[in-house]
Amino acid sequence: QKEVEQDPGPLSVPEGAIVSLNCTYSNSAFQYFMWYRQYSRKGPELLMYTYSSGNKEDGRFTAQVDKSSKYISLFIRDSQPSDSATYLCAMSAIETRGSRLTFGEGTQLTVNP
Amino acid sequence: EPEVTQTPSHQVTQMGQEVILRCVPISNHLYFYWYRQILGQKVEFLVSFYNNEISEKSEIFDDQFSVERPDGSNFTLKIRSTKLEDSAMYFCASSRGQGRGYTFGSGTRLTVV
Repeated sequence: QKEVEQDPGPLSVPEGAIVSLNCTYSNSAFQYFMWYRQYSRKGPELLMYTYSSGNKEDGRFTAQVDKSSKYISLFIRDSQPSDSATYLCAMSAIETRGSRLTFGEGTQLTVNP
Repeated sequence: EPEVTQTPSHQVTQMGQEVILRCVPISNHLYFYWYRQILGQKVEFLVSFYNNEISEKSEIFDDQFSVERPDGSNFTLKIRSTKLEDSAMYFCASSRGQGRGYTFGSGTRLTVV
């Protein structure tokens, strides 16, 4: 079983739609959960960062973490063509020194005008 | 906004040659990382570095790889004898604390021919 699973898509939605992106994981030690956006041949850009379970909202983006189900989500409201990118979930455990991130495969999203 | 800077953006090298990839992390960050992404695959952890020593390394980070922080600002990844399978995007990242959000650079695309 993969440590982090993410549907690679591709996902295509019309402008203005609500987008739901999800990851599941198997390692119960993960405590920190992140969503990154990656444009083609660029570095990942941090969108949302959450610790443990709960919701976090930032503008049009909402991140949810359900540790009991080992399931995290990113919702994008009022999606725009500029949101077209690959979205990566990433997570890390508490470590004594340095915390490696474990990434999902990434979901490729296209928002059509 | 502070950035992680990587040079060069693209490097082509012959198999068996040594390459050095360079990074300037964000100045007040304490933890430094290298990740790689083979085309079409997920982002993979290579190594973390803290307090002038390696904190953790993955199974990918074998004896062909080394990291160094030669001065107060640069962080380098050296591959001693490149193989075709080393062709990938290499991302440097830095963070202020363990498990916090990481800032990634734009990457160096390494092509081994």
